[in-house]
Parts: sequence; structure tokens; C-alpha cells
Amino acid sequence: GQQLNQSPQSMFIQEGEDVSMNCTSSSIFNTWLWYKQDPGEGPVLLIALYKAGELTSNGRLTAQFGITRKDSFLNISASIPSDVGIYFCAGQRSYNFNKFYFGSGTKLNVKP
Amino acid sequence: GAVVSQHPSRVICKSGTSVKIECRSLDFQATTMFWYRQFPKQSLMLMATSNEGSKATYEQGVEKDKFLINHASLTLSTLTVTSAHPEDSSFYICSARDLSGANVLTFGAGSRLTVL
Repeated sequence: GQQLNQSPQSMFIQEGEDVSMNCTSSSIFNTWLWYKQDPGEGPVLLIALYKAGELTSNGRLTAQFGITRKDSFLNISASIPSDVGIYFCAGQRSYNFNKFYFGSGTKLNVKP
Repeated sequence: GAVVSQHPSRVICKSGTSVKIECRSLDFQATTMFWYRQFPKQSLMLMATSNEGSKATYEQGVEKDKFLINHASLTLSTLTVTSAHPEDSSFYICSARDLSGANVLTFGAGSRLTVL
């Protein structure tokens, strides 16, 4: 089963606001990935993180690999209507190279 | 970057028939591909790991005779839903990892299966 706890489950924000979501685990991960999924589509990679403490940006998106290697967060600044979708975190543990675990997703709603 | 193509995007079939979904890595070779099932408003549920040239590894609770997986080449994996029933209706998504590139999963666009 899933080993990642993702929160919040959903968010309703106003256009222009900043957003933050996170994933936590009781286990150590060596890779954290953040994806966005639009309705009826497959997830699309936003940011990949490989080192503890790493902070990476992709436009208005910023994600960090937690120092403890048990968590990661994703921030979206100055949200716009097209940010609407479901955001998933995914993590890979050190010992099993082929296994990726997924969070339950954060559904983001942006009011124009 | 790595591209994964999934076909068909939508399929409607009658109960009792079989449906095949294809997953292709377009610009890289994938010795391993992953098949997921996604229920409405839920996360991705890993069904099986498809291994080129060998048997797929199924997750607990997934019927291997119901969901046949074939990975005959380094760029193609197929999922066949056999004797489909309405409860098999779902969104199926595949992913693959380009081992020569970054350690990320690239997903197909998904296949919406509706069984009447």
C-alpha cells in the first residue's frame, strides 16, 4: 500500500495566491518527484529531487527534498487558473530501485 | 525528453470481451514499464511491473489471468483486460523510466475503459 501521506487533500484558493502542499513518510526516500494530472490525462512531471535539502524551481513552482529524507513540499507562487488539477508526490526508497510510491494527491482549485 | 505513448485513449467494449491497451516508449528503451489503475478522485494504484523478456510482477490482489501483460520488446508493453466486466471500467495508465536519463517516471496519457 501507499507509504506517503500527502496534504492537504484539496485546496480552494484565489488567483494570485501562493499554494503549498507536502508529502511525508515514515521511511527514508532517495528520490522525490512531483507530478500534475489534468482530468482524463496522465500525470506530467513537474520537478524531480535527488538530494536531501535540494531546492529546485520550475517557473512558479518550487519543491524541496526534506533534510530528513522523509518529506518533500511543493510551492506554487502567484497561482493562475491553469494551475487547476491534481498534484501528486512520488517517492522512491533506496532499497528497491523499481518501486515508486505515490501520495493520495492534492486537488487544487483556483478562482479567477 | 522521454515520451510514452498509450493507445487507445478511450475504449468501450461489451461485457465478456477482451481489450488490449498498448504502451510505447517513443524515444528510449524501457526494460521496465509500470501499469496503474486509477479510480475517480483517487491516486494511482500500481497493478503490475512489466519486465521485457520475462514475466510481469503483479501487485497483491491483482489477478494475473485477468490482466495479461506482455513486454515483448524494449519499447512496447501491452495490458489485456480479459473477459471484461463493468467493474473493470476504469482509467488505466502506464509509465516507463529511461534508464539512460534522469531517474523519473514518464507516464502515458491514459486509457479510459468502459465496459457495458
